[in-house]
Amino acid sequence: DGGITQSPKYLFRKEGQNVTLSCEQNLNHDAMYWYRQDPGQGLRLIYYSQIVNDFQKGDIAEGYSVSREKKESFPLTVTSAQKNPTAFYLCATSDRPSGNTIYFGEGSWLTVV
Amino acid sequence: RKEVEQDPGPFNVPEGATVAFNCTYSNSASQSFFWYRQDCRKEPKLLMSVYSSGNEDGRFTAQLNRASQYISLLIRDSKLSDSATYLCVVNGGSSASKIIFGSGTRLSIRP
Repeated sequence: DGGITQSPKYLFRKEGQNVTLSCEQNLNHDAMYWYRQDPGQGLRLIYYSQIVNDFQKGDIAEGYSVSREKKESFPLTVTSAQKNPTAFYLCATSDRPSGNTIYFGEGSWLTVV
Repeated sequence: RKEVEQDPGPFNVPEGATVAFNCTYSNSASQSFFWYRQDCRKEPKLLMSVYSSGNEDGRFTAQLNRASQYISLLIRDSKLSDSATYLCVVNGGSSASKIIFGSGTRLSIRP
């Protein structure tokens, strides 16, 4: 089954804890992205990676970290430094960033309790 | 001014109606344009790309007006299943940071 797999789908975090959201793709796409969506809001770019071992900050990178050790994988860590992490997190891919369609995983809901 | 602006709605129309959304963008160098559909608590899914010549897919028609910097989506003979949020997406260049999502227009189709 091809596509983008995000896990977990729902995650509850205590304040002060780091959590890592997984994103795996078997589309052989070069570019991967992490977006955050708050209720009634548009998508905001957290980090993106165009090739393995390289990634760039997006508009709201503070309090987040990523790695891109493999083409298939782009995990996102939400650190305790992120003051308001409760949101819907979407991983996406495209075969290249310029002019190409973006495809999304099913998303991960993170709630701080 | 926001880089990509959409009327948030909600648009509440009867089944069978024709409904149109517009989306304006500020970067005149933008290269590609898309409409996505997002159901409640789900991920966005590509509805259609938007070309200068306009394109049609069944009941859906998308248009691009570069001179006035807007794209439009027309839905004919609307169905209950068309109820969703429609996101306008503008790709302004070669960097992922130039891919801008609108906040979305909510559409609700009533029986």
